[in-house]
Amino acid sequence: LQLQESGPGLVKPSETLSLACTVSVDSISSSGDYWAWIRQPPGKGLEYIAGIYFAGSTYYNPSLKSRVTISVETSKNQFSLKLRSMTAADTAVYYCARHFDYDASGFHSPFDYWGPGTLVTVSS
Amino acid sequence: EIVLTQSPGTLSLSPGESATLSCRASQRVSSNYLAWYQQKPGQAPRLLIYGASNRAPDIPDRFSGSGSGTDFTLTISRLEREDFVVYYCQQYGSSPQHTFGQGTKLEIK
Repeated sequence: LQLQESGPGLVKPSETLSLACTVSVDSISSSGDYWAWIRQPPGKGLEYIAGIYFAGSTYYNPSLKSRVTISVETSKNQFSLKLRSMTAADTAVYYCARHFDYDASGFHSPFDYWGPGTLVTVSS
Repeated sequence: EIVLTQSPGTLSLSPGESATLSCRASQRVSSNYLAWYQQKPGQAPRLLIYGASNRAPDIPDRFSGSGSGTDFTLTISRLEREDFVVYYCQQYGSSPQHTFGQGTKLEIK
């Protein structure tokens, strides 16, 4: 299984970041998997952003929920992230990942497959 | 929100020695939903341990996890040079969010 993030490397303050994660499965809609976005500011720790089930249920970090939308595009085998009102504090490497749903707890699971990450810088 | 505190911040050891990394939670982690990750420079994290003590697929048995409730430990035996990187713990039991520790850097003494 492979995941690959795509999107702009530079975003202006106040703009909306749009990222996509392409998953190398036959069909993201039949995989039965849960997917997530996680970010890491340069030199800092990891922060969970949001998760989505192929059927559409979602799970958001409350601290970001008002600015985030996660969605799945089954026809493209992708899931996407939109983060509005970007500021310098949102500068980070953004990773997409798969939840390792080892005991059928859905979103309450760790992450076993990750994309390589994409650095997003917020600057005018 | 459950806050995870990892200690020490940096651990200096020599190859061949054993490392003990700690992760303490501010509240009980339900169902021992605690994972450990290894992160090498410029790479995504790699899942090592899940459910506090279960090794992820293809992880060498030099890596072991233990603990329950609020105190968890990652032990790495017979340290190899490639092990000297950063380790994170993560809890995934509390709703409504996952949280990560701030990381422990393992460096060569």
